[in-house]
Amino acid sequence: EIVLTQSPGTLSLSPGERATLSCGASQDISSNYLAWFQQKPGQAPRLLLYGAYIRATGIPDRFSGSGSGTDFTLTIARLEPEDFAVYYCQHYGPSPPWTFGQGTKVEIK
Amino acid sequence: QITLKESGPTLVKPTQTLTLTCTVSGVSLNKIGVGVGWIRQPPGKALEWLAFIFWDDARRYSPSLENRLTITKDTSENQVVLTMTKVDPMDTATYYCAHATSPYWCFDLWGRGTLITVSS
Repeated sequence: EIVLTQSPGTLSLSPGERATLSCGASQDISSNYLAWFQQKPGQAPRLLLYGAYIRATGIPDRFSGSGSGTDFTLTIARLEPEDFAVYYCQHYGPSPPWTFGQGTKVEIK
Repeated sequence: QITLKESGPTLVKPTQTLTLTCTVSGVSLNKIGVGVGWIRQPPGKALEWLAFIFWDDARRYSPSLENRLTITKDTSENQVVLTMTKVDPMDTATYYCAHATSPYWCFDLWGRGTLITVSS
């Protein structure tokens, strides 16, 4: 089972700033089967990116993903007020088990 | 438009069996390449993947919970059912069902979740 470690635990930033979130995997994630989700209080998670860098339908282009193998990054180019939330990475693919990271909270500074 | 809705008891006693139902609309669970999974989230904590069922009835489980979980689907009702035996207060969480499709198998659509409390 792949273990995902997200850093930092909390990111304190101001609107308009750039956010960089990391997700490290305990072993190589083949075919970049890595997704990022956004979760706001009281809501279900929302898929942002899959395939490490492919934006899901309706996701603004200020969200971007990069990385491969064991190191992945989610970047939010310029934080909007609605972007303050918790972000999770997830390993998925055709052969479970699948795992989530422990989350990074992006909070207003 | 594909939607998912979870249902189940709000309160379960320790040692009992929990049964959760995910009702799926907008896509047949028999459609090739479609699957539904269950994910839970204890209050204030991270997401945890539990189980997944593919269109062809293949099933996969979290290794840490495999001996307590069973996932099935009722194609006549277009529902996915998750049972969890011997519940404990540590199983208190919001339980989500989510849709995924081939070739990516990532959770692109989620239900709103249902909060299950385990307490005597």
